Amino acid sequence: DGGITQSPKYLFRKEGQNVTLSCEQNLNHDAMYWYRQDPGQGLRLIYYSQIVNDFQKGDIAEGYSVSREKKESFPLTVTSAQKNPTAFYLCASSIVQGDYGYTFGSGTRLTVV
Amino acid sequence: GENVEQHPSTLSVQEGDSAVIKCTYSDSASNYFPWYKQELGKRPQLIIDIRSNVGEKKDQRIAVTLNKTAKHFSLHITETQPEDSAVYFCAASIIGGGADGLTFGKGTHLIIQP
Repeated sequence: DGGITQSPKYLFRKEGQNVTLSCEQNLNHDAMYWYRQDPGQGLRLIYYSQIVNDFQKGDIAEGYSVSREKKESFPLTVTSAQKNPTAFYLCASSIVQGDYGYTFGSGTRLTVV
Repeated sequence: GENVEQHPSTLSVQEGDSAVIKCTYSDSASNYFPWYKQELGKRPQLIIDIRSNVGEKKDQRIAVTLNKTAKHFSLHITETQPEDSAVYFCAASIIGGGADGLTFGKGTHLIIQP
């Protein structure tokens, strides 16, 4: 469905717990991105990666970590240092330096319990 | 870095009327401007985009206009239908540059009144 898969769709985190959100794409895109979406805040960039084994912080990286060991995969870990993690998380991919916009995953809704 | 402002945050129109959403950008080097539609709980999907070498692009009931001098671009939806109800995001980027990709506006919640 759309070539980029996020899992799980819903995730519940306890206080002090780390959780990892999965993002996999089969589009052969070089670039991958993680966004956080809150009501009225639009899409805020957490991390992005242009190539394997390289990634950069976005605007709100504190409390998050990522890895890019494979071109197809870009998992996001929400650590206990992220004090307000309840949000909708979107992963996206694109052709590096292309102009075709993004393909988005279907999102993961994370809730702290 | 790039900053994209989007207005209005909420827009309510009668079914069949037209809707216009406006965005401004700050970086004159930006040359790619896509629009995304996001239905409740779903992923954003690209509905139309425009590059800086053209001033207007149409696709059926949807059109986008670009004014490079004023650094603003707009989404126009004509003959609105209930299925047009969604949140719309504008974005801007530099083709061939801007490693962090698209910068998004904060979104417009479009409500189509029956």
